[in-house]
Amino acid sequence: EAGVTQFPSHSVIEKGQTVTLRCDPISGHDNLYWYRRVMGKEIKFLLHFVKESKQDESGMPNNRFLAERTGGTYSTLKVQPAELEDSGVYFCASSPERGMREQYFGPGTRLTVT
Amino acid sequence: KNQVEQSPQSLIILEGKNCTLQCNYTVSPFSNLRWYKQDTGRGPVSLTIMTFSENTKSNGRYTATLDADTKQSSLHITASQLSDSASYICVVSGSLSGGYNKLIFGAGTRLAVHP
Repeated sequence: EAGVTQFPSHSVIEKGQTVTLRCDPISGHDNLYWYRRVMGKEIKFLLHFVKESKQDESGMPNNRFLAERTGGTYSTLKVQPAELEDSGVYFCASSPERGMREQYFGPGTRLTVT
Repeated sequence: KNQVEQSPQSLIILEGKNCTLQCNYTVSPFSNLRWYKQDTGRGPVSLTIMTFSENTKSNGRYTATLDADTKQSSLHITASQLSDSASYICVVSGSLSGGYNKLIFGAGTRLAVHP
C-alpha cells in the first residue's frame, strides 16, 4: 500500500511569488489534513478535509493560503503571494475515518521563501 | 490555552542505554495522546495511541505511560539502538464535535544515540 506522498519535496521561491503544494493521501482515506512546522516551532494544524469538504480550516493563517481537494482525492495548498514567514515544512496526513484512528503523514514539503 | 510541553529538548545517550522522555499537556477536552517518531527528512510515524483510560502501552522497545489526572505522559525507550536517533513528538488530541480529533503537537525531544 502506497503511503501519503507530497510534491515537491523542496521548493525555493522569492517573496511575492506563488507556490502550490500537492498531497496525495492513501487511497480510500476520506480524511486529509494539512500541517505546518515553521523554524524552531512545533507542528501546527492548518486544515482538515473530509472528502472534498473543509471540515475545519481554523488553522489557516490568512487568506493568502488556499486549500482545495477537488473530487475528494488529492489536495493542493496554494500560497499567493508568499511571504518570508511562510517558510517551513508543510506536512499532509490522511486517515480512513474520524475518531482516534491514527493519521499517516507524508514526508513533507520544505518551503523556503527568500 | 491548549499546550503540549516536552522535556528534555534534546538528549544524547549511548547505544544500549535506556531513556525516558516527558510530556505535560493542558488540552481540554482530552481525547487521546500519541507519541510519534520523526526521522530527519521524513514525516512523523505513530508509535502509540492512548485514551484517558489507558495507563500504559508498549510497541516493541517503546513504552508509553499516561497519567490523565496529572496530565503527564512519558515515553521510555529500552536498550536504545542507533536507529532510535530521531525526534520524538508528543501529540494530544482534543475531541471535537462530530467525533473528529484535532491534534496539538509538542515541540519534540531530539534524541541522539551514540555508539
